[in-house]
Amino acid sequence: AQSVTQLGSHVSVSEGALVLLRCNYSSSVPPYLFWYVQYPNQGLQLLLKYTTGATLVKGINGFEAEFKKSETSFHLTKPSAHMSDAAEYFCAVSDGEGAQKLVFGQGTRLTINP
Amino acid sequence: GAGVSQTPSNKVTEKGKYVELRCDPISGHTALYWYRQSLGQGPEFLIYFQGTGAADDSGLPNDRFFAVRPEGSVSTLKIQRTERGDSAVYLCASSLTLLGAPGELFFGEGSRLTVL
Repeated sequence: AQSVTQLGSHVSVSEGALVLLRCNYSSSVPPYLFWYVQYPNQGLQLLLKYTTGATLVKGINGFEAEFKKSETSFHLTKPSAHMSDAAEYFCAVSDGEGAQKLVFGQGTRLTINP
Repeated sequence: GAGVSQTPSNKVTEKGKYVELRCDPISGHTALYWYRQSLGQGPEFLIYFQGTGAADDSGLPNDRFFAVRPEGSVSTLKIQRTERGDSAVYLCASSLTLLGAPGELFFGEGSRLTVL
């Protein structure tokens, strides 16, 4: 079965600093990988996704993630944090080849310090 | 509205009672998902509909949980004989169905269920 591990349930960075949220996955087939974000009192929304092709994926709000097959990782980064980035971030992997459902990690809460 | 709508937003019930949670997906989205999110955890898959039929219900924890989508649009998640352990936020999402990769999931804000 596919699984996702997010290292660090809480990450705190200063405004303007680099954001790095870690995600490792386990998949028996080539994975489709996703990052979703949940802002306070809102539903989860898609930040970015990797399906095939270029391994560096760019998403909304300046976020990007790189698929590294050898490391089974899909870490999320942003060069300069904004206060508005404070939210909970979830990494997810498709549950098998051709599967439509996703398996989510436990989430990382990002706090931005002024 | 243009997004996924879930009602009620909050539901408090007593142990043993029956509960229904409703999801109104984005118009035209053929796929509909129910997930459950406990405190401090990521969403956990419950069931997935493709049109009117349940394509995958492997995440339903037991036979107290049931979901329907009779006309391929609105879905209802039904929980019988609720238990305190059922307390969670129940999330609904919808998507277009794409060949190969999963489509982007559009989530509602969730229904928070508290079983006393």
